[in-house]
Amino acid sequence: AQKITQTQPGMFVQEKEAVTLDCTYDTSDPSYGLFWYKQPSSGEMIFLIYQGSYDQQNATEGRYSLNFQKARKSANLVISASQLGDSAMYFCAMREGEANYQLIWGAGTKLIIKP
Amino acid sequence: DAMVIQNPRYQVTQFGKPVTLSCSQTLNHNVMYWYQQKSSQAPKLLFHYYDKDFNNEADTPDNFQSRRPNTSFCFLDIRSPGLGDAAMYLCATSRGGSSYEQYFGPGTRLTVT
Repeated sequence: AQKITQTQPGMFVQEKEAVTLDCTYDTSDPSYGLFWYKQPSSGEMIFLIYQGSYDQQNATEGRYSLNFQKARKSANLVISASQLGDSAMYFCAMREGEANYQLIWGAGTKLIIKP
Repeated sequence: DAMVIQNPRYQVTQFGKPVTLSCSQTLNHNVMYWYQQKSSQAPKLLFHYYDKDFNNEADTPDNFQSRRPNTSFCFLDIRSPGLGDAAMYLCATSRGGSSYEQYFGPGTRLTVT
């Protein structure tokens, strides 16, 4: 079974609209962390936001927020007021356990912002 | 200010000719990682170091080796590159805790001719 599932291979969104990128995860470990990364066409992987499994509140970082629904095992990324520079590949990743440094990556969603 | 630096950005090597990719960091992070990323795929972890402790992923081919001579530098050696090793190689660092994010370098795109 897939540990991290991103069901949207590609999305087109109009500039200035909000966009939600889906991510569901599967783990039996009570301690885990969820990460979102952005990868523009230049190739560099950019950290966006982190949510720990014990965090009570949804994480926010500027225009990025993480809609964490623990019971549903989903960790969707919400980008408010999208910009042309948001066009990129977006990856959801999970770390299981306290001492595990390996990230389990989703397949990614290619987001294109239309002017 | 560059924090994770990878050199070179583009590397062309011949089939079977050893090649070394380098990574340096100015963050003083404990953990350094090497990933392989092929087109339109997620990154695949090859190995990581926690300080000097080396951790090899089970499915990393023996053809791939790594060295970390000090905190700042880490090298990826590909002993006999095959055509299938053509990919983007990403170096990343993180502090030594499970909640800390990884900081990535710009990557080295390897072409094998």
